[in-house]
Amino acid sequence: KAGVTQTPRYLIKTRGQQVTLSCSPISGHRSVSWYQQTPGQGLQFLFEYFSETQRNKGNFPGRFSGRQFSNSRSEMNVSTLELGDSALYLCASSSGAKETQYFGPGTRLLVL
Amino acid sequence: EDQVTQSPEALRLQEGESSSLNCSYTVSGLRGLFWYRQDPGKGPEFLFTLYSAGEEKEKERLKATLTKKESFLHITAPKPEDSATYLCAVSSGDTGRRALTFGSGTRLQVQP
Repeated sequence: KAGVTQTPRYLIKTRGQQVTLSCSPISGHRSVSWYQQTPGQGLQFLFEYFSETQRNKGNFPGRFSGRQFSNSRSEMNVSTLELGDSALYLCASSSGAKETQYFGPGTRLLVL
Repeated sequence: EDQVTQSPEALRLQEGESSSLNCSYTVSGLRGLFWYRQDPGKGPEFLFTLYSAGEEKEKERLKATLTKKESFLHITAPKPEDSATYLCAVSSGDTGRRALTFGSGTRLQVQP
């Protein structure tokens, strides 16, 4: 079974721009969660989607948003990028029954 | 608020030298404790899920144990390929099932 895939793998943007990242979960998984990883703050939860509905949200500003489609694929959007948004953005999927989350390879975002 | 503390921050072992990594946690209603391995530039790779005190899981040279306040990841006769950052995470009734709170990780280096 194929793992979680994320696109693009690398991205360079400038301050003030917006960016959209994509995540395809493991086949059959309906829950998709997003995390931000930085050297200073470590791994932090952004939000979780299940059946196209946001089920949980972390402590991030409204510039961070997401959505999930009917095929469980998910996107996250960051508007008005700031230098501090430079990070590895990780997507994880899990099945409805099990809580274990399986992570994708991440998207490395650099904001200049 | 859930808290996870991992120690030590970094550990250097000789090949074959067994040791343990610690993960202490404070949560309201533990739903699960998770161990991941992360190689540089990659997403976390799932290792174990533990649900209740007294539970143990094993995989090759790794063994994870859980008490009411902490978890240990025991590494027996490690090899250089075990070098990675090991992350511990918890999910609780407070933050929701899929919102993981991560520790800052233990960077393990195994020298031949």
